Order: sequence, then structure tokens, then C-alpha cells
Amino acid sequence: DSGVTQTPKHLITATGQRVTLRCSPRSGDLSVYWYQQSLDQGLQFLIQYYNGEERAKGNILERFSAQQFPDLHSELNLSSLELGDSALYFCASSEGIAGPWGTGELFFGEGSRLTVL
Amino acid sequence: DQQVKQNSPSLSVQEGRISILNCDYTNSMFDYFLWYKKYPAEGPTFLISISSIKDKNEDGRFTVFLNKSAKHLSLHIVPSQPGDSAVYFCAAVVSYFNKFYFGSGTKLNVKP
Repeated sequence: DSGVTQTPKHLITATGQRVTLRCSPRSGDLSVYWYQQSLDQGLQFLIQYYNGEERAKGNILERFSAQQFPDLHSELNLSSLELGDSALYFCASSEGIAGPWGTGELFFGEGSRLTVL
Repeated sequence: DQQVKQNSPSLSVQEGRISILNCDYTNSMFDYFLWYKKYPAEGPTFLISISSIKDKNEDGRFTVFLNKSAKHLSLHIVPSQPGDSAVYFCAAVVSYFNKFYFGSGTKLNVKP
């Protein structure tokens, strides 16, 4: 158990719909990261928040948005869903900032599997 | 723009032998590298890391080697065990920007 909680674990929806994925980081972790893993693909970095503020952005579509709340939980909103958005969405958290002065560990949740029909 | 590449999607090794997983990167600004292991239906878990100021880091059966001139990273598992069968992701970080880049993963199968 990594201590990172993601809900829902599975979600099936239709094209054009909107969904919200939720992530609770490990206690004390200030950074939250969102990753997308499509079939046979690696982990694609979407976005990172640190203590409520957006810190880094990856290949996140404009139809997707995220935020981190004062209690440090985060939500990833996916709208106007397309078939290609079907994927595993992982949330990860870390205490602070990676680098030679830190462990650099990301602790991952078990993921939310989104299926768009 | 794939800055971290794992060119072998799969690897099969006999139990007790060495497993070598490879990773190449293109961005010379990466200064921290990590390996993650992922079992089916679970999130990736941190395995081992190495700073760019080092060329080797060892933790039990796991050793990570970094060759900066070749922009190449490898993970050695000795001896390999069936429980090591999983997907292994390498990741690279530009610490200043705190952005993690992951490879596409290598599926390791350790045969009993």
C-alpha cells in the first residue's frame, strides 16, 4: 500500500461525456502528479501540482484540467471524452521536489481505469 | 518527443541468472534517474535511483549503472527471481523543473 488513494478504480462512460478522477496523496506529501498510461504505452506525464499550485505541465490536452485543493487532494477532469482517452490514469505523490538532494521517489496509486465507449 | 526510451519491450531470463534492463535518454539536463517496477493491477513502485554525479548505485540484488557520455542507464538484477517478473520503467528527472519522464517499460519474465 503506497498510501496514495485513487477513486474510482474503474469507470465506463460514453464519448462526449465528462468525468472526474480523484486522488488523495500520502499524508504529508505536497506534490501530486498525474500520468496517463494507454495500452502498451509508457507513463505519459500530464501535470504536477505542488502545495496547491501548478508546477509542471506535460502532454495534457486542453480538454483535460486538474487542480489541487487546500487539503492537498487533487482532481483530474476529463471532458468531451473520446475513444482514445481510454487509459489507466495514475496519480502519484512525493514529499517535495526530486533531485540529488532528495529521494526522488514518487508513490503511485493503483490507478483509475477509464473506458470510453 | 520521447526523451526516455526503453527499446526492449520484453525480456525473458532464467531464474538465478542476471537480468539487464536498458534505458536511453536524450536530454543532457536530466540529473536524476529512477527505476520503477509495476505488477499487474498495481501502481508502479520505486525500486532504485541514481544521481547524475554517480555512475553506480547498488541496493541488494539491484544495481543501476549510469553512463552519461552514452546517455545510457541500465538496471542489473542478480540473481533474478520469479517474483521479479514485472514491467520495469526507467524515469529521468530534470530536478530544476521537477518533471519526470518515463520510458515505455520493459516486461521482465523470470522463468523458474
